[in-house]
Amino acid sequence: DAGITQSPRYKITETGRQVTLMCHQTWSHSYMFWYRQDLGHGLRLIYYSAAADITDKGEVPDGYVVSRSKTENFPLTLESATRSQTSVYFCASSEISGGAGNEQFFGPGTRLTVL
Amino acid sequence: KQEVTQIPAALSVPEGENLVLNCSFTDSAIYNLQWFRQDPGKGLTSLLLIQSSQREQTSGRLNASLDKSSGRSTLYIAASQPGDSATYLCAVIQAGTALIFGKGTTLSVSS
Repeated sequence: DAGITQSPRYKITETGRQVTLMCHQTWSHSYMFWYRQDLGHGLRLIYYSAAADITDKGEVPDGYVVSRSKTENFPLTLESATRSQTSVYFCASSEISGGAGNEQFFGPGTRLTVL
Repeated sequence: KQEVTQIPAALSVPEGENLVLNCSFTDSAIYNLQWFRQDPGKGLTSLLLIQSSQREQTSGRLNASLDKSSGRSTLYIAASQPGDSATYLCAVIQAGTALIFGKGTTLSVSS
């Protein structure tokens, strides 16, 4: 399917476990992003990537790790999950960002619960 | 630090009414502004993108305007329908790459 997909859509885990959320896009967009959405905070950037092997921190990166070995994939790993990481996670992509400021497209989200 | 505010937080209108959602931002040095729709438990759907050089964008019954100098954008919805019920999010992008979001306006359109 064309577009941006995320897996799993729902995940329940326990504190201290490692969890990886997957994101895949079929547009060959250069930029990819991870946001988390929480009541009272709205959407906040965790990490982003400008191209394969180029990543950078966003507003709330602590406790997360990302990688981007291929343009189309941008996995997000919680190395040791904490209850505060219970959230809805959204992946997004855009063709160009920064100066050109092109449109960002979002995946359906992953609802993560950490017990 | 850029802050994006959306007022009101919630809005209820009868079907057929025209309505305006407001978005304000504190730093006018933006590259673009994007309006999204989010249905409960769903992802974000992009509605309109306004580049900093533009004043407005239209798509169907939706019209978004941008006034950079005053730090304001509005989303106008004509002839509202129950299917328009959702949360509408405004986001800006400036130096850097990430969108900075407001907390949204939750719209309810009654039939």
